Amino acid sequence: DAKTTQPPSMDCAEGRAANLPCNHSTISGNEYVYWYRQIHSQGPQYIIHGLKNNETNEMASLIITEDRKSSTLILPHATLRDTAVYYCIVRPPTGNQFYFGTGTSLTVIP
Amino acid sequence: EAGVAQSPRYKIIEKRQSVAFWCNPISGHATLYWYQQILGQGPKLLIQFQNNGVVDDSQLPKDRFSAERLKGVDSTLKIQPAKLEDSAVYLCASSLDFWDRGTKYGYTFGSGTRLTVV
Repeated sequence: DAKTTQPPSMDCAEGRAANLPCNHSTISGNEYVYWYRQIHSQGPQYIIHGLKNNETNEMASLIITEDRKSSTLILPHATLRDTAVYYCIVRPPTGNQFYFGTGTSLTVIP
Repeated sequence: EAGVAQSPRYKIIEKRQSVAFWCNPISGHATLYWYQQILGQGPKLLIQFQNNGVVDDSQLPKDRFSAERLKGVDSTLKIQPAKLEDSAVYLCASSLDFWDRGTKYGYTFGSGTRLTVV
């Protein structure tokens, strides 16, 4: 399975954009990049996913580099409720499992 | 739509005791997963069911852990006997089907059961 590397922690000021990086240099051509987040005492929550093109939804934007070796999750206007652990996951081409790393702990500061 | 339901929310047991967790997936979701999340780590997949059959249990410690999904709907995960290192949050997730690839929702997780073994 393709491995991902994320910084262990980041801070972001409330109202500013939070940019969370992820490296996945061994990703295969048919593997998707998924982002989930886990707020304290809750199960992980889906945010966004993509294959090659940049994606945007009501929660976030996902920017994938042209070589697909890295991606950035963007929370355009971070709020205190965005404080959570963010997981970048590369989904294997066979099977349906998600393999989680240790993620990035994002703290939004008032 | 209703989410993935798990119970109990919290459980404290002594080592060598047994414990069981229950999960009711989203209606119509054929695939069900159990994850173990130790404090400070990401969730680790224990077992995956497709309907009532096991797809992958390669990471399940079978000497003490067991899981079933008899009617292809709800599922139970059991630990017998429990060890101190089993203290963790046990998460259940479900998805529409095995090849639920690239769809918006991927997995949906429950809130988990926090197990403390003393």
